[in-house]
Amino acid sequence: EAGVVQSPRYKIIEKKQPVAFWCNPISGHNTLYWYLQNLGQGPELLIRYENEEAVDDSQLPKDRFSAERLKGVDSTLKIQPAELGDSAVYLCASSLAASSNEQFFGPGTRLTVL
Amino acid sequence: KQEVTQIPAALSVPEGENLVLNCSFTDSAIYNLQWFRQDPGKGLTSLLLIQSSQREQTSGRLNASLDKSSGRSTLYIAASQPGDSATYLCAVYAGTALIFGKGTTLSVSS
Repeated sequence: EAGVVQSPRYKIIEKKQPVAFWCNPISGHNTLYWYLQNLGQGPELLIRYENEEAVDDSQLPKDRFSAERLKGVDSTLKIQPAELGDSAVYLCASSLAASSNEQFFGPGTRLTVL
Repeated sequence: KQEVTQIPAALSVPEGENLVLNCSFTDSAIYNLQWFRQDPGKGLTSLLLIQSSQREQTSGRLNASLDKSSGRSTLYIAASQPGDSATYLCAVYAGTALIFGKGTTLSVSS
């Protein structure tokens, strides 16, 4: 069974440029999460989807970040414009359902903003 | 606000030693606790999931315990190997998202 797929694995951009990350969760997993991991820190939630609905986006900086999960399967996270402080690893995770289920993580996208 | 703390931040042991990684959390109202492994430049690999009603879970050489009332969990690794070298992250789930500690970086020398 395929795990959580993310692309690209690495991205280097100039500040003020836009960037997008893609995630395909494990088949059948209704809940999808985007996390941000800074160096030396644990991941922190950006947004959680139940099917196609964003049920928790309180930590998403909405002035520059946006996300979508059309058809309740794969998801895209976008940053526009990127800032130097956005350099981090962006992780996608999925679970069968939100409550009490094990979360499985993708390999992440390492973003470097120059 | 839930906070998760992992001690120690780093640990170096010779091959073959048994070791314990510690995790503490401030709010005992959790659904479950999950231990992960993260290799450099990689994503997170789930090791063990303990539901709030459980006391421990075992997988191979790994054993994780949970004492919800005291806000503590331990990950026991038996007969450590160089391949166990990685960062180990503890995370608690209270209904919205996982809240992570900063991790313990383990180095096992041969």
